Amino acid sequence: GQQLNQSPQSMFIQEGEDVSMNCTSSSIFNTWLWYKQDPGEGPVLLIALYKAGELTSNGRLTAQFGITRKDSFLNISASIPSDVGIYFCAGVPFLTSGTYKYIFGTGTRLKVLA
Amino acid sequence: NAGVTQTPKFQVLKTGQSMTLQCAQDMNHNSMYWYRQDPGMGLRLIYYSASEGTTDKGEVPNGYNVSRLNKREFSLRLESAAPSQTSVYFCASRDGAGARGYTFGSGTRLTVV
Repeated sequence: GQQLNQSPQSMFIQEGEDVSMNCTSSSIFNTWLWYKQDPGEGPVLLIALYKAGELTSNGRLTAQFGITRKDSFLNISASIPSDVGIYFCAGVPFLTSGTYKYIFGTGTRLKVLA
Repeated sequence: NAGVTQTPKFQVLKTGQSMTLQCAQDMNHNSMYWYRQDPGMGLRLIYYSASEGTTDKGEVPNGYNVSRLNKREFSLRLESAAPSQTSVYFCASRDGAGARGYTFGSGTRLTVV
């Protein structure tokens, strides 16, 4: 099945640093979503993007819908210990947009060192 | 609190046993989904239900069946569990209005020995 390539797979950063991660696809997507998963919990929606070029913020988080519609980026500014977790991108492929069957990336595991 | 409730949270099965994972949402959402999460694989769609009375296969449906009992409930059944079905299972629901994200339950961790 179709997959989203998410990078990096994992990262260790110092508290206060900025974080960047991205997600790429071989095909066009209509919608990009970013989720965070805490240990033992289900993913929680952080940001949703609906238009190519769209830039949306949620507190210290900023995400962008790539111009080519094949990628998306998530930035976290001034990281804090509670940012630790797994970040997933998800998207709706253009060809299946009516079904809203989201495809998920493999995740970026973030660890913040105090 | 409103949301998606999954039961049980943990389960150990022997190979060949059957069980049903339960999911209920109280947000009046039309669409419901079952995903499995495996290390390094992300979340993969097993089955989904676009609305009450309809179900359809996702990416990895083999070995599973589903029932959309009513608008609130969407169950996942393993008829004859196999070790390859060891995973964390997530149920999710979505408001039918537009391309919005899912609301996920907290998951069921299933081990098949």
